Amino acid sequence: KQEVTQIPAALSVPEGENLVLNCSFTDSAIYNLQWFRQDPGKGLTSLLLIQSSQREQTSGRLNASLDKSSGRSTLYIAASQPGDSATYLCAVDPSSSNTGKLIFGQGTTLQVKP
Amino acid sequence: DAGITQSPRHKVTETGTPVTLRCHQTENHRYMYWYRQDPGHGLRLIHYSYGVKDTDKGEVSDGYSVSRSKTEDFLLTLESATSSQTSVYFCAISDLKTNEKLFFGSGTQLSVL
Repeated sequence: KQEVTQIPAALSVPEGENLVLNCSFTDSAIYNLQWFRQDPGKGLTSLLLIQSSQREQTSGRLNASLDKSSGRSTLYIAASQPGDSATYLCAVDPSSSNTGKLIFGQGTTLQVKP
Repeated sequence: DAGITQSPRHKVTETGTPVTLRCHQTENHRYMYWYRQDPGHGLRLIHYSYGVKDTDKGEVSDGYSVSRSKTEDFLLTLESATSSQTSVYFCAISDLKTNEKLFFGSGTQLSVL
């Protein structure tokens, strides 16, 4: 059974710092991996989606990498800002095709201090 | 929230009562999903739909049923609510072809007393 783990559960950094969030999954047979952002009391917003054949995706200050063989993904946030404070979740589609039936990690709650 | 409306936003109900949550989308996406989010478990898939009248079970479907009579509406029903169904329920949509990302609604906070 596919399991997704995110460590650490919480992270606090000063503004301006570059940081890395980690995601690991137990079965390398995935179709894609998504990183989401969730603000308190809100829904999830998809940040980046990496296909299983890709190594990384970039959007602005965010860069997500994928090493499928080792079951790992990282989300790199450059020059962090207080507005980046949120919970970040990774999720994999464990199917052989795109189904949207995602398996989620429990998230990393990030606090960026001014 | 990508044209997704969940209703109600908050609900308190008693054990044993039926509850229906509604997800309405204006994006004409074919695929719709119901997830629940609980501390210590993250988000888990309850049911999903791949078209009108086409639905299937997810990981945690026991105690839940769904219906999709129109493209834009996906209903989640708790036939007889239990305290273990206290959770935040999220609806998500996708067309899985032109854009593989999932788009989520704002959630429904359900408390079963």
